[in-house]
Amino acid sequence: DTEVTQTPKHLVMGMTNKKSLKCEQHMGHRAMYWYKQKAKKPPELMFVYSYEKLSINESVPSRFSPECPNSSLLNLHLHALQPEDSALYLCASSQFRGLDEKLFFGSGTQLSVL
Amino acid sequence: DQQVKQNSPSLSVQEGRISILNCDYTNSMFDYFLWYKKYPAEGPTFLISISSIKDKNEDGRFTVFLNKSAKHLSLHIVPSQPGDSAVYFCAARKGDDMRFGAGTRLTVKP
Repeated sequence: DTEVTQTPKHLVMGMTNKKSLKCEQHMGHRAMYWYKQKAKKPPELMFVYSYEKLSINESVPSRFSPECPNSSLLNLHLHALQPEDSALYLCASSQFRGLDEKLFFGSGTQLSVL
Repeated sequence: DQQVKQNSPSLSVQEGRISILNCDYTNSMFDYFLWYKKYPAEGPTFLISISSIKDKNEDGRFTVFLNKSAKHLSLHIVPSQPGDSAVYFCAARKGDDMRFGAGTRLTVKP
């Protein structure tokens, strides 16, 4: 199994809603990532979890709250988002050790904030 | 602060010819470099990578070259095929931190 699965694929939410994005991998990877990508821009790193602990937080606003319940799951909780937060949210995972340090990406969640 | 830059937003090449995609980086601490390919409505897919201790890595039609002194890498695709048409992202990594360029849209014309 070499897949990273993200749900939902599409999400529309209002500014007062609370929603969660989910990501799952069963490759035994120990690092998991959230990236945000707006149209015609590079993926921007948001959070990194290594061994289920938050290792990087790129000064992301608190309306985005990550959670890593176990080594296979990564969530991104959303609350009181703004329309400018509309973007493609990508989850990725990688082996923590070893020379083969490529990231495996999910297909993303396309988020629209109204 | 864009640490990884792809200055060409688009590239158009004839089928069978060589495609050369370029990437520059500013952080000398990066020690691993990757190229990803992305189709619409899909996540980026890993293509090829190179460690900072090497200057060339080849995999079939794809070759990545690294010039550390110039902080520059390039991806060569030869021969180019219409199925190669996609957005190509350059990425650079140090530990857990991976940064991406803005991407180059490659179009291979039949």
